[in-house]
Amino acid sequence: NAGVTQTPKFQVLKTGQSMTLQCAQDMNHEYMSWYRQDPGMGLRLIHYSVGAGITDQGEVPNGYNVSRSTTEDFPLRLLSAAPSQTSVYFCASSYYGGPTNIQYFGAGTRLSVL
Amino acid sequence: QQQVKQSPQSLIVQKGGIPIINCAYENTAFDYFPWYQQFPGKGPALLIAIRPDVSEKKEGRFTISFNKSAKQFSLHIMDSQPGDSATYFCAARMGSARQLTFGSGTQLTVLP
Repeated sequence: NAGVTQTPKFQVLKTGQSMTLQCAQDMNHEYMSWYRQDPGMGLRLIHYSVGAGITDQGEVPNGYNVSRSTTEDFPLRLLSAAPSQTSVYFCASSYYGGPTNIQYFGAGTRLSVL
Repeated sequence: QQQVKQSPQSLIVQKGGIPIINCAYENTAFDYFPWYQQFPGKGPALLIAIRPDVSEKKEGRFTISFNKSAKQFSLHIMDSQPGDSATYFCAARMGSARQLTFGSGTQLTVLP
Protein backbone atom coordinates (compact mmCIF):
# COMPACT_ATOMS: atom_id res chain seq x y z
CA ASN A 1 0.00 0.00 0.00
CA ALA A 2 1.76 3.14 -1.27
CA GLY A 3 -0.36 5.85 0.43
CA VAL A 4 0.85 9.30 -0.66
CA THR A 5 3.82 9.29 -3.05
CA GLN A 6 5.86 12.41 -3.78
CA THR A 7 8.51 12.80 -6.46
CA PRO A 8 11.23 13.86 -6.64
CA LYS A 9 12.65 13.57 -3.11
CA PHE A 10 15.31 16.22 -3.75
CA GLN A 11 15.63 18.98 -6.34
CA VAL A 12 18.00 21.87 -6.96
CA LEU A 13 16.84 24.68 -9.23
CA LYS A 14 18.30 27.92 -10.46
CA THR A 15 16.38 31.13 -10.00
CA GLY A 16 13.82 31.52 -12.77
CA GLN A 17 13.54 27.85 -13.63
CA SER A 18 10.19 26.10 -13.52
CA MET A 19 9.36 22.63 -12.30
CA THR A 20 6.52 20.40 -11.19
CA LEU A 21 6.39 18.52 -7.92
CA GLN A 22 4.38 15.35 -8.29
CA CYS A 23 1.93 13.92 -5.75
CA ALA A 24 -0.15 10.78 -6.12
CA GLN A 25 -2.38 8.92 -3.66
CA ASP A 26 -4.00 5.50 -3.98
CA MET A 27 -6.57 5.80 -1.19
CA ASN A 28 -9.34 7.38 -3.30
CA HIS A 29 -9.26 10.49 -1.10
CA GLU A 30 -11.24 13.49 -2.28
CA TYR A 31 -9.18 16.08 -0.41
CA MET A 32 -5.57 16.79 -1.31
CA SER A 33 -3.31 19.62 -0.23
CA TRP A 34 0.19 21.03 -0.51
CA TYR A 35 2.16 22.47 2.42
CA ARG A 36 5.58 23.99 2.73
CA GLN A 37 7.64 23.49 5.88
CA ASP A 38 10.15 26.09 6.94
CA PRO A 39 12.16 26.19 10.20
CA GLY A 40 10.19 27.77 13.04
CA MET A 41 7.08 28.23 10.90
CA GLY A 42 5.39 24.87 10.97
CA LEU A 43 3.52 23.74 7.89
CA ARG A 44 1.78 26.38 5.82
CA LEU A 45 -0.94 25.55 3.34
CA ILE A 46 -0.20 26.48 -0.28
CA HIS A 47 -3.14 25.09 -2.26
CA TYR A 48 -5.79 22.46 -1.75
CA SER A 49 -8.42 20.53 -3.71
CA VAL A 50 -11.70 18.98 -2.62
CA GLY A 51 -12.06 16.87 -5.76
CA ALA A 52 -11.14 16.56 -9.43
CA GLY A 53 -11.48 19.90 -11.18
CA ILE A 54 -11.74 21.91 -7.92
CA THR A 55 -8.81 23.78 -6.39
CA ASP A 56 -8.44 26.72 -4.04
CA GLN A 57 -5.71 28.84 -2.48
CA GLY A 58 -4.31 28.38 0.98
CA GLU A 59 -2.25 30.71 3.14
CA VAL A 60 0.81 31.09 0.85
CA PRO A 61 -0.26 30.53 -2.78
CA ASN A 62 1.87 33.12 -4.58
CA GLY A 63 4.35 31.64 -7.07
CA TYR A 64 2.61 28.26 -7.21
CA ASN A 65 -0.03 26.73 -9.46
CA VAL A 66 -2.02 23.53 -9.07
CA SER A 67 -4.52 21.50 -11.05
CA ARG A 68 -6.53 18.36 -10.26
CA SER A 69 -7.50 16.44 -13.36
CA THR A 70 -7.86 13.08 -11.56
CA THR A 71 -8.69 11.97 -8.02
CA GLU A 72 -5.24 10.41 -7.65
CA ASP A 73 -2.90 13.20 -8.76
CA PHE A 74 -2.30 16.72 -7.49
CA PRO A 75 0.84 18.30 -9.00
CA LEU A 76 2.34 21.55 -7.73
CA ARG A 77 3.98 23.83 -10.30
CA LEU A 78 6.61 26.47 -9.60
CA LEU A 79 6.36 28.90 -12.48
CA SER A 80 9.58 30.85 -11.94
CA ALA A 81 11.54 29.60 -8.96
CA ALA A 82 12.86 32.08 -6.41
CA PRO A 83 15.28 31.55 -3.48
CA SER A 84 12.35 32.25 -1.11
CA GLN A 85 10.80 29.00 -2.35
CA THR A 86 13.63 26.94 -0.89
CA SER A 87 11.73 24.67 1.48
CA VAL A 88 10.47 21.17 2.14
CA TYR A 89 7.16 20.52 0.41
CA PHE A 90 4.61 18.03 1.65
CA CYS A 91 1.54 16.70 -0.07
CA ALA A 92 -1.33 15.32 2.02
CA SER A 93 -4.66 13.64 1.37
CA SER A 94 -7.77 12.70 3.32
CA TYR A 95 -11.41 11.78 2.92
CA TYR A 96 -13.59 14.88 2.69
CA GLY A 97 -16.58 13.80 4.74
CA GLY A 98 -16.82 12.77 8.39
CA PRO A 99 -16.25 14.52 11.73
CA THR A 100 -12.53 13.87 11.96
CA ASN A 101 -9.76 14.52 9.54
CA ILE A 102 -6.86 12.12 9.29
CA GLN A 103 -4.55 13.68 6.77
CA TYR A 104 -1.93 11.32 5.37
CA PHE A 105 1.33 12.96 4.35
CA GLY A 106 3.91 12.02 1.78
CA ALA A 107 7.62 11.85 2.62
CA GLY A 108 8.29 15.31 1.20
CA THR A 109 10.34 16.99 -1.53
CA ARG A 110 13.36 19.01 -0.46
CA LEU A 111 13.79 21.92 -2.86
CA SER A 112 16.73 24.31 -3.04
CA VAL A 113 16.59 27.35 -5.30
CA LEU A 114 19.97 28.93 -5.96
CA GLN B 1 -1.01 35.73 11.19
CA GLN B 2 -0.37 32.66 13.30
CA GLN B 3 -3.65 31.37 14.60
CA VAL B 4 -2.07 28.51 16.56
CA LYS B 5 0.87 29.33 18.81
CA GLN B 6 3.07 26.47 19.99
CA SER B 7 5.73 26.33 22.69
CA PRO B 8 8.45 25.51 23.44
CA GLN B 9 10.40 25.47 20.19
CA SER B 10 12.67 22.74 21.52
CA LEU B 11 12.65 20.46 24.53
CA ILE B 12 15.19 18.05 25.99
CA VAL B 13 14.21 15.52 28.66
CA GLN B 14 15.73 12.43 30.21
CA LYS B 15 14.30 8.99 29.49
CA GLY B 16 11.25 8.45 31.69
CA GLY B 17 10.50 12.18 31.94
CA ILE B 18 7.18 13.78 30.99
CA PRO B 19 7.63 16.39 28.26
CA ILE B 20 4.75 18.82 27.88
CA ILE B 21 4.10 20.79 24.70
CA ASN B 22 1.62 23.64 24.77
CA CYS B 23 -0.56 25.24 22.11
CA ALA B 24 -2.92 28.20 22.17
CA TYR B 25 -5.44 29.17 19.55
CA GLU B 26 -7.38 32.34 18.81
CA ASN B 27 -10.28 31.31 16.60
CA THR B 28 -13.17 29.86 18.60
CA ALA B 29 -14.54 28.32 15.41
CA PHE B 30 -11.83 25.64 15.54
CA ASP B 31 -13.45 22.35 16.52
CA TYR B 32 -10.87 19.64 15.97
CA PHE B 33 -7.32 19.59 17.35
CA PRO B 34 -4.87 16.94 16.15
CA TRP B 35 -1.24 16.42 17.05
CA TYR B 36 1.22 15.21 14.44
CA GLN B 37 4.57 13.52 14.97
CA GLN B 38 7.38 13.88 12.44
CA PHE B 39 10.63 11.94 12.33
CA PRO B 40 13.62 13.29 10.38
CA GLY B 41 13.23 12.81 6.64
CA LYS B 42 9.60 11.72 6.96
CA GLY B 43 6.24 13.37 6.59
CA PRO B 44 4.10 14.18 9.62
CA ALA B 45 1.82 11.41 10.90
CA LEU B 46 -1.28 11.77 13.05
CA LEU B 47 -0.52 10.93 16.69
CA ILE B 48 -3.67 11.79 18.63
CA ALA B 49 -6.57 14.21 18.28
CA ILE B 50 -9.29 15.77 20.44
CA ARG B 51 -12.55 17.63 20.03
CA PRO B 52 -13.39 20.55 22.38
CA ASP B 53 -16.30 18.75 24.06
CA VAL B 54 -13.84 16.67 26.14
CA SER B 55 -11.11 17.88 28.49
CA GLU B 56 -8.69 14.99 28.14
CA LYS B 57 -7.88 12.13 25.80
CA LYS B 58 -5.36 9.36 26.32
CA GLU B 59 -3.86 6.98 23.81
CA GLY B 60 -1.13 4.83 25.27
CA ARG B 61 1.57 7.10 26.71
CA PHE B 62 0.22 10.19 24.93
CA THR B 63 -2.37 12.49 26.53
CA ILE B 64 -4.02 15.64 25.25
CA SER B 65 -5.37 18.08 27.85
CA PHE B 66 -7.85 20.65 26.56
CA ASN B 67 -8.95 23.90 28.22
CA LYS B 68 -11.73 25.40 26.13
CA SER B 69 -12.17 28.55 28.22
CA ALA B 70 -8.46 29.37 28.01
CA LYS B 71 -8.28 28.30 24.35
CA GLN B 72 -5.29 26.13 25.13
CA PHE B 73 -4.37 22.49 24.69
CA SER B 74 -1.29 20.48 25.47
CA LEU B 75 0.41 17.16 24.73
CA HIS B 76 1.91 15.11 27.54
CA ILE B 77 4.16 12.12 26.88
CA MET B 78 4.34 9.74 29.84
CA ASP B 79 7.47 7.66 30.46
CA SER B 80 9.19 9.21 27.44
CA GLN B 81 11.61 7.06 25.44
CA PRO B 82 14.49 7.92 23.08
CA GLY B 83 12.27 6.66 20.24
CA ASP B 84 9.88 9.53 20.98
CA SER B 85 12.55 11.99 19.79
CA ALA B 86 10.83 13.80 16.93
CA THR B 87 9.20 17.07 15.99
CA TYR B 88 5.65 17.50 17.24
CA PHE B 89 3.08 19.79 15.66
CA CYS B 90 -0.24 20.82 17.07
CA ALA B 91 -2.96 21.80 14.61
CA ALA B 92 -6.52 23.03 14.46
CA ARG B 93 -9.35 22.67 11.98
CA MET B 94 -12.49 24.71 11.51
CA GLY B 95 -15.88 23.13 10.98
CA SER B 96 -16.50 21.30 7.74
CA ALA B 97 -13.34 22.63 6.18
CA ARG B 98 -10.49 20.21 5.76
CA GLN B 99 -7.69 22.75 5.97
CA LEU B 100 -5.44 22.39 9.00
CA THR B 101 -3.69 25.32 10.67
CA PHE B 102 -0.44 24.13 12.21
CA GLY B 103 1.64 25.38 15.11
CA SER B 104 5.32 26.11 14.58
CA GLY B 105 6.51 22.75 15.91
CA THR B 106 8.49 21.48 18.91
CA GLN B 107 11.66 19.48 18.49
CA LEU B 108 11.75 16.92 21.30
CA THR B 109 14.92 15.08 22.29
CA VAL B 110 14.70 12.27 24.83
CA LEU B 111 18.11 11.38 26.22
CA PRO B 112 18.87 7.74 27.06
